[in-house]
Amino acid sequence: AQKITQTQPGMFVQEKEAVTLDCTYDTSDQSYGLFWYKQPSSGEMIFLIYQGSYDEQNATEGRYSLNFQKARKSANLVISASQLGDSAMYFCAMGAGNQFYFGTGTSLTVIP
Amino acid sequence: DAGITQSPRHKVTETGTPVTLRCHQTENHRYMYWYRQDPGHGLRLIHYSYGVKDTDKGEVSDGYSVSRSKTEDFLLTLESATSSQTSVYFCAISEFRGGHQPQHFGDGTRLSIL
Repeated sequence: AQKITQTQPGMFVQEKEAVTLDCTYDTSDQSYGLFWYKQPSSGEMIFLIYQGSYDEQNATEGRYSLNFQKARKSANLVISASQLGDSAMYFCAMGAGNQFYFGTGTSLTVIP
Repeated sequence: DAGITQSPRHKVTETGTPVTLRCHQTENHRYMYWYRQDPGHGLRLIHYSYGVKDTDKGEVSDGYSVSRSKTEDFLLTLESATSSQTSVYFCAISEFRGGHQPQHFGDGTRLSIL
């Protein structure tokens, strides 16, 4: 069975500091993709970053980077230089075949 | 932003009534998905479509049916709504299969079943 685990229900970070949101996954597929989404309090789902299972380099998108450790089946999101606007729910997701699986999310609060 | 419109955005209805939610896209993407979001569960896939009239079940499909008669429209139907189906429903689209391409989401439909 496919599964995504996010073990941090809530996180706090000081403004301008970096923060790591944890995500582990479980799959028997060799080909899969890992994704992070942001959901602000307004409710929309915003795609942040993608990592393919065959990609050897960690993905980066601006202040977001994905720390991909395939052997450990982890895909942690690193947000550098946190901003107040980063306060939101963050979801890790995995796509394999036609299916897509989400974790339960981490609520991030950025403290001024 | 991806052109995805969900309607209605909010709905309150009674147990036992039929409910249909609509997802409309202007991106001409092949794949469309319906999810529900509940506290403590994240998003869970209900049904998805990989083309006109081609649909399949997701993780939580019981009590739901879908139809896709045109590329741009994907309908989710609750034949006889129950209180356990109170949730926020999201539609998503992708151009290719979900494994290596992000899905883009509509703004959600908040459904309350009393």
